[in-house]
This record gives sequence, structure tokens and C-alpha cells, in this order.
Amino acid sequence: ETGVTQTPRHLVMGMTNKKSLKCEQHLGHNAMYWYKQSAKKPLELMFVYNFKEQTENNSVPSRFSPECPNSSHLFLHLHTLQPEDSALYLCASSQDLGQGGEKLFFGSGTQLSVL
Amino acid sequence: GENVEQHPSTLSVQEGDSAVIKCTYSDSASNYFPWYKQELGKRPQLIIDIRSNVGEKKDQRIAVTLNKTAKHFSLHITETQPEDSAVYFCAARVSNYQLIWGAGTKLIIKP
Repeated sequence: ETGVTQTPRHLVMGMTNKKSLKCEQHLGHNAMYWYKQSAKKPLELMFVYNFKEQTENNSVPSRFSPECPNSSHLFLHLHTLQPEDSALYLCASSQDLGQGGEKLFFGSGTQLSVL
Repeated sequence: GENVEQHPSTLSVQEGDSAVIKCTYSDSASNYFPWYKQELGKRPQLIIDIRSNVGEKKDQRIAVTLNKTAKHFSLHITETQPEDSAVYFCAARVSNYQLIWGAGTKLIIKP
């Protein structure tokens, strides 16, 4: 499959669970992102990685822990989440961070429900 | 902080008519303004973008205009079709990687 792939598509977890979201891009891009999408709210940037190095942690609570082992894979580790963390979590990639390479390619997202 | 206001939140137009969605940004240093379309249950996809050195850009039925002085930009869709039904998001770049997004406009095309 080409593009950006996210798994799982749906996830239900209790507040004491630990789970991980996975993202893989097959586009040869250097930058990867995690976004949170809540209903009727702007997309919220959570984390940015460029060449595997984290360049942004947008004041995200520590219960969200990102991991980027290489330029093609991105994980979001979740633990002790709160009900307000329920949302669609979108992964995206771009050629790079600079001008001309900023077009974002999104995955289909993981719909997370925290009970 | 920086923000982008998007209006309207919902827009319903007759098939074949035009649709206009407007966004206003706060950071005068913003230099890149993309528009993304998200169909129900699908991923957002870039449909058109514009840089601050250009006032207007067209791609078939879609156009974007930018007014830097007023700090607003608009998406224009002409001859709307059922497949144009979706949520449209505008954004403004405030750094090398930070896009500030609007809250989205749900566009409904009535047959």
C-alpha cells in the first residue's frame, strides 16, 4: 500500500490501559507528525519529527509518548488517558519542513475512545 | 497566540452554484496558506494552496484568493457538484512546521 498507513483504525481503552498507535509512510518523506482532531475544533499539532529527531512537543501531556525509530515509522504510546482524550488521531508526513516540502499527506486516523 | 478564524461553520448551496469559505489569520508573518478537504470518514487531502507572494491561484473549479493587508484568504468553488460535499479546513503557516488551522466548514451540496 502506498501513502500513509495507520493502525488500528479504532481503539477503545480504559483509563488504566496502555496502548500504542502506529503510523507508517511509504512516500520517502523526512518529516512526520501527530495531530489530534476533535469534533468542530481545529486540528491540534502534537508532535513533529524531522529525520527521526523530535522538533516539536506542542505542550502535550506526558501520558502521550511519541517514538520515531526511523523516518518511515512513527508511534504514539498511550497510558492513563482521560475521557477528554477521546478523538481522531491523525498521522501525517511531508517531504521536509521547509518551503516547498510542506504538503501534508495524512493517514486515515485512529478513532480513540477512552472509557 | 496565533489563530485562524474560519467562516461559515456550515454552508449549504444548490448544486451548480458557487461556494465561498473565508479565513482570517492573526500572524502577519504567515507566508503559506493551504486548504484541505476531508470527506466523511476519510483523511484530509490538500486541494489547493497559496503563498504570500501571490494574490490568487486557480485549479479548474477551485480558486484561492489572498489579501495580505486584511490578513484573510478565501476558497472559491464554482459549479459545485455532489462530490464537493465535505469539510474544508484552512490553515496558515507560522513557522517551518507549525500550521494553525481553522475549525472547518461543512459544505453541503443540495441536489
